[in-house]
Amino acid sequence: EPEVTQTPSHQVTQMGQEVILRCVPISNHLYFYWYRQILGQKVEFLVSFYNNEISEKSEIFDDQFSVERPDGSNFTLKIRSTKLEDSAMYFCASSGRAEAFFGQGTRLTVV
Amino acid sequence: QKEVEQNSGPLSVPEGAIASLNCTYSDRGSQSFFWYRQYSGKSPELIMSIYSNGDKEDGRFTAQLNKASQYVSLLIRDSQPSDSATYLCAVNRGGSTLGRLYFGRGTQLTVWP
Repeated sequence: EPEVTQTPSHQVTQMGQEVILRCVPISNHLYFYWYRQILGQKVEFLVSFYNNEISEKSEIFDDQFSVERPDGSNFTLKIRSTKLEDSAMYFCASSGRAEAFFGQGTRLTVV
Repeated sequence: QKEVEQNSGPLSVPEGAIASLNCTYSDRGSQSFFWYRQYSGKSPELIMSIYSNGDKEDGRFTAQLNKASQYVSLLIRDSQPSDSATYLCAVNRGGSTLGRLYFGRGTQLTVWP
């Protein structure tokens, strides 16, 4: 069964450093998303991406964040100058027109 | 502000019972409704989607939607200990593409043997 895969599963980084989270969406999906979930809180939308451009972003997705589809399979989230409050689970998702499927997540810990 | 509200629980039911999970949403323009299951430390797993008023059944799961009341529910029949998880309600404006999902905080379900 096709699935969304994310790497790494866990990343520890020092405050102020840049991190890149990677995702391989389901191959025939055209819409890609990043969500995050701070421990004990709800899943929050960050950004959606279609046709090589951002289609929607939330108020969380400020200049610190960027997304890219560097090739035909990968979808990345870059977080510049990480802060302690960026510590969370980051989920990549992809969809056709109707339903979104989530990857297993990357746990980001900023120390 | 588009809100999705769920009873946080925890909801505890015995094995074999029916578990009932509820969700309300504030945006009347919402068209697509989803239930995800999330085990502790894991990612959301899609279990049901519903788009029209009424009931939709899939195995032991039944989703119910009432757009007039802005209410969506999930019934789990013959609950099993493996159903113990947090159930997330997610809502979307729909249209030609899926777009952004708005999640509730989730209801924690425990099924005891």
